[in-house]
Amino acid sequence: GIQVEQSPPDLILQEGANSTLRCNFSDSVNNLQWFHQNPWGQLINLFYIPSGTKQNGRLSATTVATERYSLLYISSSQTTDSGVYFCAVRDSGGGADGLTFGKGTHLIIQP
Amino acid sequence: DAGVTQSPTHLIKTRGQQVTLRCSPKSGHDTVSWYQQALGQGPQFIFQYYEEEERQRGNFPDRFSGHQYPNYSSELNVNALLLGDSALYLCASSLIPLITQETQYFGPGTRLLVL
Repeated sequence: GIQVEQSPPDLILQEGANSTLRCNFSDSVNNLQWFHQNPWGQLINLFYIPSGTKQNGRLSATTVATERYSLLYISSSQTTDSGVYFCAVRDSGGGADGLTFGKGTHLIIQP
Repeated sequence: DAGVTQSPTHLIKTRGQQVTLRCSPKSGHDTVSWYQQALGQGPQFIFQYYEEEERQRGNFPDRFSGHQYPNYSSELNVNALLLGDSALYLCASSLIPLITQETQYFGPGTRLLVL
């Protein structure tokens, strides 16, 4: 099945810093989503972005489908940005309908 | 607009027992997917239900079964519980006709502990 690798696995930053999280995937996809999982386990949708670039406030994301990677940018980090960020994809080759998740990037923003 | 809801929030069972978890999809959605998230890992796809049938299944044994009702709500059943079934179980809903532009929305999850 499709493989998803996220980097870095852990990231500790000071409040106000910018960060870039990367997601590499091993095959073509027809669905790519970025999620933020809060300390209570809730997965919060950030972006649906199988290709192209989107922005939402301090967050933006870019997916280069032909090169099989996606980037999530967080600018001017706040302590509430802490948590685990997941990239999830669906293989466009007709595999399982569910999403395949990476192992996540654990982000800690220190005040 | 009601989001995805799940019940119960927490559950403790012993090995060999059976458990049923419940999920109500986001208003307007007709498809429910279930995921298992072990500690420190990303969620893993268990199966998806649409039109009251299981559409596709991930790499999980037959001890994991499900059901979808006419109102689109869904249940996940796990028989003969093992210690390794301890995890956060997440339900996600989506709208199948938009499958090429499908966004899955997740519920808050059920934390299952098997002793």
